[in-house]
Amino acid sequence: GAGVSQSPSNKVTEKGKDVELRCDPISGHTALYWYRQRLGQGLEFLIYFQGNSAPDKSGLPSDRFSAERTGESVSTLTIQRTQQEDSAVYLCASSLAPGSGYPYEQYFGPGTRLTVT
Amino acid sequence: EDKVVQSPLSLVVHEGDTVTLNCSYEVTNFRSLLWYKQEKKAPTFLFMLTSSGIEKKSGRLSSILDKKELSSILNITATQTGDSAIYLCAVEAGNTPLVFGKGTRLSVIA
Repeated sequence: GAGVSQSPSNKVTEKGKDVELRCDPISGHTALYWYRQRLGQGLEFLIYFQGNSAPDKSGLPSDRFSAERTGESVSTLTIQRTQQEDSAVYLCASSLAPGSGYPYEQYFGPGTRLTVT
Repeated sequence: EDKVVQSPLSLVVHEGDTVTLNCSYEVTNFRSLLWYKQEKKAPTFLFMLTSSGIEKKSGRLSSILDKKELSSILNITATQTGDSAIYLCAVEAGNTPLVFGKGTRLSVIA
C-alpha cells in the first residue's frame, strides 16, 4: 500500500479483556515502531523492531504489553488484561533502517484509538 | 481524506539563522495540532495547539495556529547545530486518531 495502515481505527473494550492492534508498514521499511499517545500528551515510545534483530522493548510499560513482527511485515501489539489507563491512541510508524547518525523519516499510520471502559 | 502537508521538506541553514516551518491541514472535525522534534528513535513533543492566534513559546521555539488558514508555523530563532532534526506536524481530528505530515528535515551547519 501507499502508506502505513493500522487496524482497527477505533476499539472500545471492557477492563480486563485482551486486545490486539495491527500495523502494516510500508513495503521495504525494515524498521517499525510502536508509540502510545495519551490525551494531551506527547508520544511515548513502546517498542522498536529493526530487521531480524532482537526488538528494543525498553518502552513497554508493563508485562501486559507485548508485540510481535513477522520478518519485515505486519506487526501486532497485544495488551492483556486491559486497564483504564491503557486508553490512548496507539501509533505505528515505519522507516528505512536508521543509520548511526541521522534518522530516516518515520512514516506514521493513522493510529488506533483504544478506549477501555 | 484527512491530510497534513509540511513545507519545506528539507532546509539547510547556518547557525544563528531564524527558520520558519510550515504545516497545513485538511481534516474533518479538527481538534488540535501538535509539533514534534525527531532526532533519534522517538519524536519528542514540542507543542500542542488548539486555539487560533495564541502563540506557544519554549525557549527559542515558538508556534502559532491559524484555524482560518488551516495552518500552523513553527519558528526557531538563533538556530544551533543541536536543532538539526526532523520536525513533524500532526493533527488530531474526528475521523482518524492522528494524521502526521511527512516532516521537515532541518540541518543547521556551523
